[in-house]
Formats: sequence, structure tokens, C-alpha cells
Amino acid sequence: AQSVTQPDIHITVSEGASLELRCNYSYGATPYLFWYVQSPGQGLQLLLKYFSGDTLVQGIKGFEAEFKRSQSSFNLRKPSVHWSDAAEYFCAVAARIPYSGGGADGLTFGKGTHLIIQP
Amino acid sequence: NAGVTQTPKFRILKIGQSMTLQCTQDMNHNYMYWYRQDPGMGLKLIYYSVGAGITDKGEVPNGYNVSRSTTEDFPLRLELAAPSQTSVYFCASSSRGRTDTQYFGPGTRLTVL
Repeated sequence: AQSVTQPDIHITVSEGASLELRCNYSYGATPYLFWYVQSPGQGLQLLLKYFSGDTLVQGIKGFEAEFKRSQSSFNLRKPSVHWSDAAEYFCAVAARIPYSGGGADGLTFGKGTHLIIQP
Repeated sequence: NAGVTQTPKFRILKIGQSMTLQCTQDMNHNYMYWYRQDPGMGLKLIYYSVGAGITDKGEVPNGYNVSRSTTEDFPLRLELAAPSQTSVYFCASSSRGRTDTQYFGPGTRLTVL
């Protein structure tokens, strides 16, 4: 079964510093990968996605992510963080989610990384 | 363009009560989803729908029911609420299925006491 691992539960970064959030996936086929951001009390917003082609994808708000098949990783990066980037970040893979009796289409999410920005 | 809307935003239920969480999208998307998010966990799929009249179970469907009578609406029904259903519930929609961008509503925070 597919899975997504985000090794860092919390990350603290100083404003203006660079950021990298890690994501590792396990999936037998070519993965469709997503990064979503959740601000406090809000729903999830798509930052970027990878389906195929160029392994470095650009997203909104200055974020980018690099797909590395050999490492089964899809890490999110930003060169210089702003206080408004403080949020919960989720990596997800689009897959058929197995359950007893069949399967379901949907996103399999990691547990999330909570980003704290220090002034 | 409102996107995906959910009502109510907050609700407290007593054990054994029932309620319906409402979800409406105005993007004419065929696919709609219900997820639950427990503290410190990612989202888990409860039910999904690929079009009006078609629904299917997700990873954690027990204790819930859904219907899809129109393209716009995808209500989630909780029967006989239990403390284990205390969670934040998100509705989402997409145009072309699981490989397409899913657009999320703001969520409903449900507490069962």
C-alpha cells in the first residue's frame, strides 16, 4: 500500500532564512505528488504538484519542490521564508487507497509538518 | 466564486445523536470527497463520489453515510455519533479525479461528548 512520510513534525526557521520540508513516499507506480498548505483554522490550499516531466516544479508563494525517484522523495523548498508562511504543510500522493473489499480513489496524506517562523 | 463551502463551522453533539454536514461546490466538479483530520494526523478519506448518483467508500467509512443527488451537493451523515468521530471534517472537489487538484472547503470541527 502507498504511504507518505514527513519525518519532521515541527520545524522552526528564522524569517528570511531558507526552508526545506522533507517528504518521502512509497508507491509502486509513477506517483502523482502534491504539497498542500493549511493555515490555522483554514482548509487546505494547493502549493504545487508533480505528475511528470521536469522534476523541479514551481508553485505559488515562491515555493518549489524537486522529485527524486531514486530517493522516493519530493522535498519542498523556499529560498527565503516570510512570517506569513507559518502553517501546516502536507505532502500527499494520489493513489488508489486499498481497503477491505476493494479500493478507493483519493489522496494519501502524510501527517504534516508544522512550520514556525521566528522573527 | 465561492468554491467549496461547508456548514456548520463548529458543532457539539451528544453521544448517539445524528447530524448532517453540508458541502456545496460551485465549480461544476464531478468528483467530491469527504476527509477527516485527527490531531497530529494527515487527512483520511471517508467517502467519495465521481458524479451525481454515484458514491463509494473510502478508507474510514464506518459510522458515516453519504448521498449525491446533484453535482453541487455532497452531504455527509453521521448516525449515532460516537466520541471517536470527534474530528475536523473537510470536503473537497476536483474536476478529473484523484490526479487532479482537489479544492478544499474550510472544514467543520465536530466534538462528540
